[in-house]
Amino acid sequence: DAGVTQSPTHLIKTRGQQVTLRCSPKSGHDTVSWYQQALGQGPQFIFQYYEEEERQRGNFPDRFSGHQFPNYSSELNVNALLLGDSALYLCASSLMGERNQPQHFGDGTRLSIL
Amino acid sequence: AQTVTQSQPEMSVQEAETVTLSCTYDTSESDYYLFWYKQPPSRQMILVIRQEAYKQQNATENRFSVNFQKAAKSFSLKISDSQLGDAAMYFCAYRPNSGNTPLVFGKGTRLSVIA
Repeated sequence: DAGVTQSPTHLIKTRGQQVTLRCSPKSGHDTVSWYQQALGQGPQFIFQYYEEEERQRGNFPDRFSGHQFPNYSSELNVNALLLGDSALYLCASSLMGERNQPQHFGDGTRLSIL
Repeated sequence: AQTVTQSQPEMSVQEAETVTLSCTYDTSESDYYLFWYKQPPSRQMILVIRQEAYKQQNATENRFSVNFQKAAKSFSLKISDSQLGDAAMYFCAYRPNSGNTPLVFGKGTRLSVIA
C-alpha cells in the first residue's frame, strides 16, 4: 500500500523563477492538502484540492496555485519566487467524508531560493 | 481563529525516563480532533496519537498517552520509557470536526533523548 509520495525531494531555484511540486496521495485517498513549513516553524496550510477543485485556502498569495488531476495526484505551483518561499513543502492526503481519519503526510520537498 | 501553542521549544529526557510535552489551543468549537505528530530528521510527519474531543477518556498508544483537559483547552503528550528513536520534533495539531478541514499546527517542541 503506497503512502503519499512527493517529488522532487530537494529543489534549488533563484528569485523570480517558477516552480512546480508534485504529490501522489495514499492509495484510496481523494483529497490532497498542501502545507508550507518554514525552518523552525510548524506547517502552515496553503490549500486543499478535492474533485479537481480548490476547496479551501489558507492565507497565501495568488502566486501559490495548484491543480488536481483525475487520478487524485496534485501539483503545487509557485510563481515569482521570493527568498521567503524557502521552506519544506508537505503534501497530505485524506478521504473526503472520513472526518475521523487523520491526514497522511509525504516526506516533503525542500525548496531553497537563492 | 483557532490557534495552537506549544510553550516548550526544546525538551530533553534521559533514556528510559518519562517526559511530558505541553500544548494548549484556542477554539470556540465544541467538536474537534487533536493530534500529536512526530517529525524526525527524515522530515515525514508521523501521527503519534489522536484524541476526539467528545471522548472523555484519554487516548493511549503503547508508550504514548495524552492528558486531555477540554475545559482548560490543554492537550499534553506523555512519553514513557523514552527511547533514542523518540528524538524528533513533536507537533501538536487541531482540526475541527466540520468537513475535511485542514490541520492547525503549533510551532513544535524539539525532543532530545540522552543515552
